Amino acid sequence: EADIYQTPRYLVIGTGKKITLECSQTMGHDKMYWYQQDPGMELHLIHYSYGVNSTEKGDLSSESTVSRIRTEHFPLTLESARPSHTSQYLCASSWGRGDTQYFGPGTRLTVL
Amino acid sequence: AQSVTQLDSHVSVSEGTPVLLRCNYSSSYSPSLFWYVQHPNKGLQLLLKYTSAATLVKGINGFEAEFKKSETSFHLTKPSAHMSDAAEYFCVVSDSPNNLFFGTGTRLTVIP
Repeated sequence: EADIYQTPRYLVIGTGKKITLECSQTMGHDKMYWYQQDPGMELHLIHYSYGVNSTEKGDLSSESTVSRIRTEHFPLTLESARPSHTSQYLCASSWGRGDTQYFGPGTRLTVL
Repeated sequence: AQSVTQLDSHVSVSEGTPVLLRCNYSSSYSPSLFWYVQHPNKGLQLLLKYTSAATLVKGINGFEAEFKKSETSFHLTKPSAHMSDAAEYFCVVSDSPNNLFFGTGTRLTVIP
């Protein structure tokens, strides 16, 4: 089983709050990813990183931002949460040229 | 362009009977193909991966999938369903490490 962790697992928060979803991996993977998954829907890539100080936006536009200051850590931040941000957020990582991604357990976010 | 179609949103089988989860893909290149499983409140777990080595790919927990280029299919099968197989299954196509295209998922129910 892959060593990739996400906290919190569940979060219910009011509109306008700033939140940070944490993602850490202990496998030394260089690439990391954030996906958004609405109930019953496919995953959509919202951010990815090829390594430290590298971040790119994914296919789905998102108001969130990410940072990659350390290899093992890839936090996602929403400056002002809104009900439209309610979703599940999945973090993943991969190594080198391989395309197998290993996923964390996800954070289920509800914004009231 | 890459795309994935999972033909059934919900499959229900009796315990001990075969499982068939269907997936068709569209890809401009020689893709990598994956099946991931997501148990309730758990992260995505890699079941198996096809990368042009052998057309019949064996995965974990007794699952296997056959790549059929002429039919652009990558159906997932298991000879005998177990209660623990109840989960959501995602077919994924990839043409590069940061490009994973997920299907909408198939929810598998196993009836005792």
